[in-house]
Amino acid sequence: NAGVTQTPKFQVLKTGQSMTLQCAQDMNHEYMSWYRQDPGMGLRLIHYSVGAGITDQGEVPNGYNVSRSTTEDFPLRLLSAAPSQTSVYFCASSYGGSNNQPQHFGDGTRLSIL
Amino acid sequence: SQKIEQNSEALNIQEGKTATLTCNYTNYSPAYLQWYRQDPGRGPVFLLLIRENEKEKRKERLKVTFDTTLKQSLFHITASQPADSATYLCALVYNTDKLIFGTGTRLQVFP
Repeated sequence: NAGVTQTPKFQVLKTGQSMTLQCAQDMNHEYMSWYRQDPGMGLRLIHYSVGAGITDQGEVPNGYNVSRSTTEDFPLRLLSAAPSQTSVYFCASSYGGSNNQPQHFGDGTRLSIL
Repeated sequence: SQKIEQNSEALNIQEGKTATLTCNYTNYSPAYLQWYRQDPGRGPVFLLLIRENEKEKRKERLKVTFDTTLKQSLFHITASQPADSATYLCALVYNTDKLIFGTGTRLQVFP
């Protein structure tokens, strides 16, 4: 059982570079989301998707883009990396909407922006 | 805006005792509240979900209460073990489909 798979696990970027964080789930979950976790701030919702072709913004969407072309994949794009985006990024999925279903998390991508 | 508060200080208890963690929220009345466990370097793992009309829910050594009047949830671990040491997060839904998390409380159980 793979569950939610995030790649890469670690990444170092220079300011201004772009990159895509990958997230894939094999549970046929409709709902997927991206969070960032910073010390003292907890998990903050960046973007989420309630199904293929549908995405919406969370609490901290600026500087990030997402798309959902398939049920399985939900990539997160950093357009022009900034040091403030140094964080641990978690992808999660759940069956149906998030309001009454457990979230399944990946083990995160640790991203450093120099 | 919705705010969730968890005790940011670590909770240190002796093995065998009951650990009680608190989650307080403001500015909203969620229908559901969830609790997660997170170990260092890992993603959160779902533990329990409680609905607003359930008041209390149990799973093995875990118990969650939900007081919508006080806007508070309590998370109890009975007969705690060193393996229970982790950070525990509470989460609730606002705006129908956005799940937001508290900052978590780190629990340390000493033998």
